[in-house]
Amino acid sequence: QKEVEQDPGPLSVPEGAIVSLNCTYSNSAFQYFMWYRQYSRKGPELLMYTYSSGNKEDGRFTAQVDKSSKYISLFIRDSQPSDSATYLCAIPGAGGTSYGKLTFGQGTILTVHP
Amino acid sequence: DTEVTQTPKHLVMGMTNKKSLKCEQHMGHRAMYWYKQKAKKPPELMFVYSYEKLSINESVPSRFSPECPNSSLLNLHLHALQPEDSALYLCASSQVRVFSPLHFGNGTRLTVT
Repeated sequence: QKEVEQDPGPLSVPEGAIVSLNCTYSNSAFQYFMWYRQYSRKGPELLMYTYSSGNKEDGRFTAQVDKSSKYISLFIRDSQPSDSATYLCAIPGAGGTSYGKLTFGQGTILTVHP
Repeated sequence: DTEVTQTPKHLVMGMTNKKSLKCEQHMGHRAMYWYKQKAKKPPELMFVYSYEKLSINESVPSRFSPECPNSSLLNLHLHALQPEDSALYLCASSQVRVFSPLHFGNGTRLTVT
């Protein structure tokens, strides 16, 4: 079993839809959870990160962690064509190391069409 | 524009060539990283430098040679690469602590012919 699993999609939604992106993880010791967005031909850009359980909101984006289920989610409200990108969940500390080694999910390719 | 700058943006090299990728950051971060990303795959860690010293080498072949001349610069020297080494090479930086988000550059797209 991979330490971080993410449905690669692709996911195609109409403009204005609510998008839900999800990852599962295997190690209950993980504390920090991150979401990166990667546009085509660009590097990953940090969107949000959360610590432990709960929700964190930033504009149209909400990150949610359910440690009991080992499940993390990113919700995008009122999705826009400019949100079309690959979304990667990432967890530091996987693989037995501390800082530096981010273990990424496979990435979900999202297309928001007008 | 990102705060981590990588040059060149694109590189085509033959299997007998020697080339170098460069990365620069001015955020005062003391950890710097090289990641490799193949198409439609997530980034994979290659090397980590902490305080200019190599702290993690993910069993990368010796044809990839990293160098960290100072706290702002990171190089990746390439020699005798194989076509399967063609990928996007990403540099990242962070603070040195248990949790610090990584800031990525836009990468160098490398093609080995």
